[in-house]
Amino acid sequence: AQSVAQPEDQVNVAEGNPLTVKCTYSVSGNPYLFWYVQYPNRGLQFLLKYITGDNLVKGSYGFEAEFNKSQTSFHLKKPSALVSDSALYFCAVRDIKAAGNKLTFGGGTRVLVKP
Amino acid sequence: GAGVSQSPRYKVAKRGQDVALRCDPISGHVSLFWYQQALGQGPEFLTYFQNEAQLDKSGLPSDRFFAERPEGSVSTLKIQRTQQEDSAVYLCASSQYRAFGNQPQHFGDGTRLSIL
Repeated sequence: AQSVAQPEDQVNVAEGNPLTVKCTYSVSGNPYLFWYVQYPNRGLQFLLKYITGDNLVKGSYGFEAEFNKSQTSFHLKKPSALVSDSALYFCAVRDIKAAGNKLTFGGGTRVLVKP
Repeated sequence: GAGVSQSPRYKVAKRGQDVALRCDPISGHVSLFWYQQALGQGPEFLTYFQNEAQLDKSGLPSDRFFAERPEGSVSTLKIQRTQQEDSAVYLCASSQYRAFGNQPQHFGDGTRLSIL
């Protein structure tokens, strides 16, 4: 079975400060990991993915994430947050060994960036 | 280019009615997924198509839920005899390749279904 945990329901940060959104996962094999962002009344928008290789992955809009196999984590980071980054963020995992291509999502973390 | 298109954006139905939700994936995308997103929660997998073949329907909550993709492009999710617990946002996603599952899924804006 594959699962994802996002331990924080909400993260508050001041504009210009670093932003971190936490994610841990559980798979029986190796993971494919993804981050998505969701704005109100919209679908999910892809930010970045980890498949293999370099543990630091760079994505859209200045976001990056670090894959840590020993801690089974894939935290999302941005060095300097913008007010427009305020949204709902979802981490998702797929177990390479699992049949099918379905993603399992975490419960989401709401990010609020204050001016 | 055009993204994933879902219709209707909003659907209100009375308990017991049947509903049909449509998804137009990105042109040429082989894989198509349906997810259910309850209020304040992450999306939960319902079913997966590779072209016209429904390869995984393990997430469909009951036999009232049925999905099809007869020509390998447009897909319809049908819910029969709707119940209040079916109220949710239904998201459709497509991705380019069939294998490996390492391609990002591209999501539509969803259909918000409200059952009265």
